[in-house]
Amino acid sequence: AQKVTQAQTEISVVEKEDVTLDCVYETRDTTYYLFWYKQPPSGELVFLIRRNSFDEQNEISGRYSWNFQKSTSSFNFTITASQVVDSAVYFCALSEDQAGTALIFGKGTTLSVSS
Amino acid sequence: DAGVTQSPTHLIKTRGQQVTLRCSPKSGHDTVSWYQQALGQGPQFIFQYYEEEERQRGNFPDRFSGHQFPNYSSELNVNALLLGDSALYLCASSQTPSGGYTFGSGTRLTVV
Repeated sequence: AQKVTQAQTEISVVEKEDVTLDCVYETRDTTYYLFWYKQPPSGELVFLIRRNSFDEQNEISGRYSWNFQKSTSSFNFTITASQVVDSAVYFCALSEDQAGTALIFGKGTTLSVSS
Repeated sequence: DAGVTQSPTHLIKTRGQQVTLRCSPKSGHDTVSWYQQALGQGPQFIFQYYEEEERQRGNFPDRFSGHQFPNYSSELNVNALLLGDSALYLCASSQTPSGGYTFGSGTRLTVV
């Protein structure tokens, strides 16, 4: 069965600190896709990144970076120099297809950044 | 360009009643998926509609049903509401099933 685990329920940091959100996944598929979404208080899920199982290159986008390691079934997300606007719930998710149909989500990590 | 629009934003229903939630996909999108997000949990996939047919379904009972109209908008119907159906219901749309999904802000359903 497919499963996504986000062990950190809540994280609190002070502005400008770096923070890493952990994600561990389980799947028997050889081809799969991993996603990160941000959910601000308004409720909508905002897409951040998609990674396929054959691409283990780390990715950096501005203050955001992602570390994908198949050997440990992890897809961790780091925010560098956090800002108050980064406060939200972050979800890691798994899908069989690149579109993200029938996403399997973790329980989410609530990030609070204080000034 | 409007994104995914869901209505109503909030709803209170009594146990045993029926409810209909509505979703208008983003312009140019023809595929709609529905998710249920209980408080403090990640969203769970309910089903996906494409070409007015249910294409995939998650592990939800038959009390949950849906419909997609020719204009690609969609409805989620839940019959015989239970207290446990209280959740945020999210709609997501994409351009063909292979496109990336855009999520709406959801409908908060409270069953009392």
